[in-house]
Amino acid sequence: SAVISQKPSRDICQRGTSLTIQCQVDSQVTMMFWYRQQPGQSLTLIATANQGSEATYESGFVIDKFPISRPNLTFSTLTVSNMSPEDSSIYLCSMRGDSYEQYFGPGTRLTVT
Amino acid sequence: DAKTTQPTSMDCAEGRAANLPCNHSTISGNEYVYWYRQIHSQGPQYIIHGLKNNETNEMASLIITEDRKSSTLILPHATLRDTAVYYCIGYSGGSNYKLTFGKGTLLTVNP
Repeated sequence: SAVISQKPSRDICQRGTSLTIQCQVDSQVTMMFWYRQQPGQSLTLIATANQGSEATYESGFVIDKFPISRPNLTFSTLTVSNMSPEDSSIYLCSMRGDSYEQYFGPGTRLTVT
Repeated sequence: DAKTTQPTSMDCAEGRAANLPCNHSTISGNEYVYWYRQIHSQGPQYIIHGLKNNETNEMASLIITEDRKSSTLILPHATLRDTAVYYCIGYSGGSNYKLTFGKGTLLTVNP
């Protein structure tokens, strides 16, 4: 399995600001994913990020709110824009393995005040 | 992807086998059963997956019924570190990349 790291591990941000979360994988991968886990809830897929193409967003998530970059095969960023307290969640990136399993990063715990 | 049903919570004594059931009666022929777990405050961890045959790896065993309508994840010798939420997911892979996480089963391993 790959090693996936995320930065920052946690942050406390003010309403109206933006935060960019970085995800680094130790091997080249085609597909990376971004998930959100709201307090006490299960994971929800935000978008799929493929290198060299626009991210594909799930219903209820838009690019203006969650812009994603995928500059190469080992790195991706997710920005949470114009934050409100409702954006307080854990944000996780993942990558797809050879047998379609997914490996997840440790998550970024975001609190918006 | 198939809808899966799991008990909300289970308890297990340390050192004993933990058997976590999952119902997936609507699973289609090309959908695998994947199991993940999430230890508190960590990212989900892939455990095992299978299609028809029983599978075993260093973490667990997966028993799938012949009709594929249900499965059981077995942790042969549960430890306190196995306390986590366990998710059973029906997933066909390929272009259907989306993992749909339900509420899972909170397994508590007691000393």
